[in-house]
Amino acid sequence: DAKTTQPPSMDCAEGRAANLPCNHSTISGNEYVYWYRQIHSQGPQYIIHGLKNNETNEMASLIITEDRKSSTLILPHATLRDTAVYYCIVGYGQNFVFGPGTRLSVLP
Amino acid sequence: DSGVTQTPKHLITATGQRVTLRCSPRSGDLSVYWYQQSLDQGLQFLIQYYNGEERAKGNILERFSAQQFPDLHSELNLSSLELGDSALYFCASSVFREPLGNEQFFGPGTRLTVL
Repeated sequence: DAKTTQPPSMDCAEGRAANLPCNHSTISGNEYVYWYRQIHSQGPQYIIHGLKNNETNEMASLIITEDRKSSTLILPHATLRDTAVYYCIVGYGQNFVFGPGTRLSVLP
Repeated sequence: DSGVTQTPKHLITATGQRVTLRCSPRSGDLSVYWYQQSLDQGLQFLIQYYNGEERAKGNILERFSAQQFPDLHSELNLSSLELGDSALYFCASSVFREPLGNEQFFGPGTRLTVL
């Protein structure tokens, strides 16, 4: 079973920030938090990952709480092309366990 | 484009048959992973290879097998196919270096339809 809990769906207005939450209360000390997304039936696309510190790249920001029990993926200016299923995964980078994810719909 | 390639893109076959799916990892990646995505099960990890050796096993059926060759490409063999094997099969690769925490990069997948 996945070690994460995500809302099944979210809507976001185009141009606004999309904030996707993830709970991982049983995360171990050395486990990373990964975010992927899947657009239709394409291969999952890596977005970002982090251990303890907040991370930012050209796609998104990852905010991890101090106790590491939850995190938020932020897409700063969502576009229609960001409509996808977003997966939050915790682990060591090996055999990922995917949950059902959050279906994000970006609305015009 | 993740740099991971998979062939074929689509495969249609009959029950009882055997098929081989192929994956070429990103340049420099030593580890290959196979995942299955079906409508009712979601994305499930099947097996991992690292530099030619099996490293981890997930929910892989005994009818399925995989290997990684010296040039690091990998093949997933599915035999005695059943209707329920119809799914998307994804390959991913990573460098898998210590310390762990490496991201995996996924290929475009092979869509298998068993009739």
